[in-house]
Amino acid sequence: EVQLVESGGGLVKPGGSLRLSCAASGFTFSSYSMNWVRQAPGKGLEWVSSISSSSSYIYYADSVKGRFTISRDNAKNSLYLQMNSLRAEDTAVYYCARLTGSGSDAFDIWGQGTMVTVSS
Amino acid sequence: EIVLTQSPGTLSLSPGERATLSCRASQSVSSSYLAWYQQKPGQAPRLLIYGASSRATGIPDRFSGSGSGTDFTLTISRLEPEDFAVYYCQQYGSSPMVTFGPGTKVDIK
Repeated sequence: EVQLVESGGGLVKPGGSLRLSCAASGFTFSSYSMNWVRQAPGKGLEWVSSISSSSSYIYYADSVKGRFTISRDNAKNSLYLQMNSLRAEDTAVYYCARLTGSGSDAFDIWGQGTMVTVSS
Repeated sequence: EIVLTQSPGTLSLSPGERATLSCRASQSVSSSYLAWYQQKPGQAPRLLIYGASSRATGIPDRFSGSGSGTDFTLTISRLEPEDFAVYYCQQYGSSPMVTFGPGTKVDIK
């Protein structure tokens, strides 16, 4: 079964750090670009970051640039998001999502999400 | 920067009715990179349509997508009880790399 499972969320104080992980299974992880998308409570979806299959191309939303770092370990079938200098507005459910890469790109597989709460 | 606008914000319909959801982009979007997602409370989004008009695997044929340039439409031909949810359009590849619309909530009238 094709699956993505996020972990690492929790409660952190403003200015703190957190590292999210996304474990992939059921597909050749190293062949796909991967993404992080977040959703603040009661709000819409916001793209956070993308990383290509070999980590050659990395992109960030302006809202997290300079604070968050996306990475992957293809040997471990895992995607990561290192979040530093966290702010209250970073509070959200964080989803990892696979990019189809079929030429008509979309996010075809999503994890169940992990909640990050930034509060003192 | 491409901004996606969805209308209406909320659509109140009855089961069996037709739903027409609009997504408008501030600049032209390649049809190859326009997608639609469905999200139910407490669940992750689910891909419905990619490439503006292609149904994702397992998506019923009552869902269809159309449009080009700056105007795109998601149509649900006959609403089933499980279709009441929030729907998001998304563009991929233009700065910023990915943009989602604010969503349209389809609720039961």
